Amino acid sequence: EVQLVESGGGLVQPGGSLRLSCAVSGFTLSDHYVDWVRQAPGKGLEWVGRTRNKAKSYTTDYAASVKGRFTISRDDSKNSVSLQMNSLKTEDTAVYYCSRDVTGDYWGQGSLVTVSS
Amino acid sequence: QSILTQPPSASGTAGQRVTISCSGSSSNIGQNNLCWYQQVPGTAPKLLICTNSGRPSGVPDRFSGSKSGTSASLAISGLRSEDEADYFCAAWDDSLSGRVFGGGTKLTVL
Repeated sequence: EVQLVESGGGLVQPGGSLRLSCAVSGFTLSDHYVDWVRQAPGKGLEWVGRTRNKAKSYTTDYAASVKGRFTISRDDSKNSVSLQMNSLKTEDTAVYYCSRDVTGDYWGQGSLVTVSS
Repeated sequence: QSILTQPPSASGTAGQRVTISCSGSSSNIGQNNLCWYQQVPGTAPKLLICTNSGRPSGVPDRFSGSKSGTSASLAISGLRSEDEADYFCAAWDDSLSGRVFGGGTKLTVL
């Protein structure tokens, strides 16, 4: 059974850092892309970034709103993808989801990040 | 303002057919795969259908999708109360080198 499980969310002050993890199971991570998508309270979905698979040399892309502040990394041997978030702003407050592949065929349950003083 | 444009709301009675539109441009819908997601409030989005790969197993054939040029639509036939949810379209945008979502459509089953 394919599963993605996010963890690491919480309350952080503006300017602070937080690292989210996405633990995957039921598939070979190196064969797949993983996206991070966020949803601010009461708002729609916003793509954050992508890590491509081994065949695509693990390249990454980021939304303009997070480029230079967020970094996606992965450890296929540990079946894990991480989202390092630095210089956090109040507008980064959202539920963060990881999802599999360009179609988003599987999603995690989400992890809430609250940026507030 | 979302790159992909969806109506904020749609409604229908049980048994009816409703459609939800998604409008984009040549750099996203015009060139790339378009997918639709259903999200019940408080839960994660669920993939419904993609133009290039169809419906995943488990998604009823009451859900269908189409694309023409830079626009797409999701049709739901035989509307049921459990279809009441938010619906989002999404596609890769070549100009932005990123994925773009529609603002979402809240479907109410009257």
